[in-house]
Amino acid sequence: ETGVTQSPTHLIKTRGQQVTLRCSSQSGHNTVSWYQQALGQGPQFIFQYYREEENGRGNFPPRFSGLQFPNYSSELNVNALELDDSALYLCASSYDRTNSPLHFGNGTRLTVT
Amino acid sequence: GIQVEQSPPDLILQEGANSTLRCNFSDSVNNLQWFHQNPWGQLINLFYIPSGTKQNGRLSATTVATERYSLLYISSSQTTDSGVYFCAIDKTGANSKLTFGKGITLSVRP
Repeated sequence: ETGVTQSPTHLIKTRGQQVTLRCSSQSGHNTVSWYQQALGQGPQFIFQYYREEENGRGNFPPRFSGLQFPNYSSELNVNALELDDSALYLCASSYDRTNSPLHFGNGTRLTVT
Repeated sequence: GIQVEQSPPDLILQEGANSTLRCNFSDSVNNLQWFHQNPWGQLINLFYIPSGTKQNGRLSATTVATERYSLLYISSSQTTDSGVYFCAIDKTGANSKLTFGKGITLSVRP
């Protein structure tokens, strides 16, 4: 069974640039959620995708957007990067959108300078 | 929104000791999960436990939904147990919008 994989592991970008982070869900999982974790904090929910549709969004501006593909892999796109976007971005997949355990990838560490 | 409080914020143990980590929440929940984040940032799901008791090796968890708390027990702690333990909840049962606590930092010394 293949777990959740994320790429890249680390990324350095300049303020104002755009970034795309990628996630492959665990086999058999149709739901992907993205979380942002600032240093010393718990993860914060960005949004969730279920069968290629957005299925819930947290308190993040529209410059955070996403996609889910037919194979259930997903992308997180962030436009007009700000210094405060520096964080660990975590992708999690689950068997279904409700009442099932979340399994996280190792994350992408984004640094905005 | 729903609030999650974890205690204690920090815990230092000698290898072999037992510990109890607590998660209090402000409203009824249909989804509660415990996670361990190791020093390299990897977040591992320990338990999906909106109610009742579960055990997995040296770890066990109990959620008393009517009293709005959950406990994570670690027995015979090992240095590899070090890291941050998070409790995450959702009122609706949906995996979306899991609200995480601030975490409990555990250090197990050899």
